[in-house]
Amino acid sequence: QQQVKQSPQSLIVQKGGISIINCAYENTAFDYFPWYQQFPGKGPALLIAIRPDVSEKKEGRFTISFNKSAKQFSLHIMDSQPGDSATYFCAASIITSYDKVIFGPGTSLSVIP
Amino acid sequence: GAGVSQSPSNKVTEKGKDVELRCDPISGHTALYWYRQSLGQGLEFLIYFQGNSAPDKSGLPSDRFSAERTGGSVSTLTIQRTQQEDSAVYLCASRSNRDSGNTIYFGEGSWLTVV
Repeated sequence: QQQVKQSPQSLIVQKGGISIINCAYENTAFDYFPWYQQFPGKGPALLIAIRPDVSEKKEGRFTISFNKSAKQFSLHIMDSQPGDSATYFCAASIITSYDKVIFGPGTSLSVIP
Repeated sequence: GAGVSQSPSNKVTEKGKDVELRCDPISGHTALYWYRQSLGQGLEFLIYFQGNSAPDKSGLPSDRFSAERTGGSVSTLTIQRTQQEDSAVYLCASRSNRDSGNTIYFGEGSWLTVV
């Protein structure tokens, strides 16, 4: 119930292409879905987040698509750049509970020139 | 400081020794988390502190692991009788109870190597 599944485990995309990472959750009480970006040797940092009252959120080249009925959400990186190469974690939490945030296992993205 | 501060940034210890890892959260943040990340792996929840409530210790992997948070601020994660499988990056994160976005902010981690 608390698990967040994430795929693929690793992804290689050519510069300028679209990177897509998918996540799924079980607990319908989750109501906050952030994505974190982690560069080697650094801690994860918040990239973009969505609440389930909207189906899509866009910030620059990064878009979250959310499907409440399917309990799935995805991150799309448009015009992927080598600087986007990092590990991406999806996560889920209950916004009012201040409980632990549940993270997916991560996706290692490599954008090749 | 402006962000979550962790020390030491790197620690090499001999098997069987005890280690202490320190976390200074963002000033005013009431929630503090410890996660563990093994090489190339995901984020494993260890323990969570929220204000004066009893900590959620459900993620601690064994009784060799313990953590405390003094004065609602600085936290120390202690690993007793370290084993080689304890080698990992230990990440601390904090969150403000006034943050309606539920964002947690991570430090850069303490890299622990047990030899």
